[in-house]
Amino acid sequence: AQSVTQLDSQVPVFEEAPVELRCNYSSSVSVYLFWYVQYPNQGLQLLLKYLSGSTLVKGINGFEAEFNKSQTSFHLRKPSVHISDTAEYFCAVSALNTGFQKLVFGTGTRLLVSP
Amino acid sequence: GAGVSQSPRYKVTKRGQDVALRCDPISGHVSLYWYRQALGQGPEFLTYFNYEAQQDKSGLPNDRFSAERPEGSISTLTIQRTEQRDSAMYRCASSKGVTSGGASDTQYFGPGTRLTVL
Repeated sequence: AQSVTQLDSQVPVFEEAPVELRCNYSSSVSVYLFWYVQYPNQGLQLLLKYLSGSTLVKGINGFEAEFNKSQTSFHLRKPSVHISDTAEYFCAVSALNTGFQKLVFGTGTRLLVSP
Repeated sequence: GAGVSQSPRYKVTKRGQDVALRCDPISGHVSLYWYRQALGQGPEFLTYFNYEAQQDKSGLPNDRFSAERPEGSISTLTIQRTEQRDSAMYRCASSKGVTSGGASDTQYFGPGTRLTVL
């Protein structure tokens, strides 16, 4: 079975500062990796995904993430955050043994951006 | 175009009642997924369909939970004899479908149905 760990439940940061949201996963088979964002009263929106190829993945709204197989990590980064980035961020994996159909999510990290 | 829609957005029911939650996927999407999200947790997989066929129901917690997608479009998640522990956000997602290479298409999520069982 797969699992995802997001150690930081909440990350406070000032506007225009850089941010990193951490994600570690566990799986004995090949995985795909995802970051989703949830704004208040809205559905989950895909930020970016890693399927294969380059380990540095760029997504929407200036976010990027780096897949590190040896450390089983997929941390999300943004060099300069905006107030509008305040939201909850979920890391997720899908695995070969489920046909990559079932997403397994972490518990989420709430990003709080203040002026 | 329109995204995934879910109805109702909020449902309050009494313990022991049955509830039906509806999901209308993006037009043309082959695959449809149901997840449940408890407060302070990430979404947890329940079941998914390709067209009208239920492919995996391993995440359904017990036999009070069932789902159907009879015409390969709209899906209904039914919870019978609801219990307080069923209170959660129920999320539906859809995707274009699995490509021939096996790569997973992006899952697009609806706004969810907040279920409260009193």
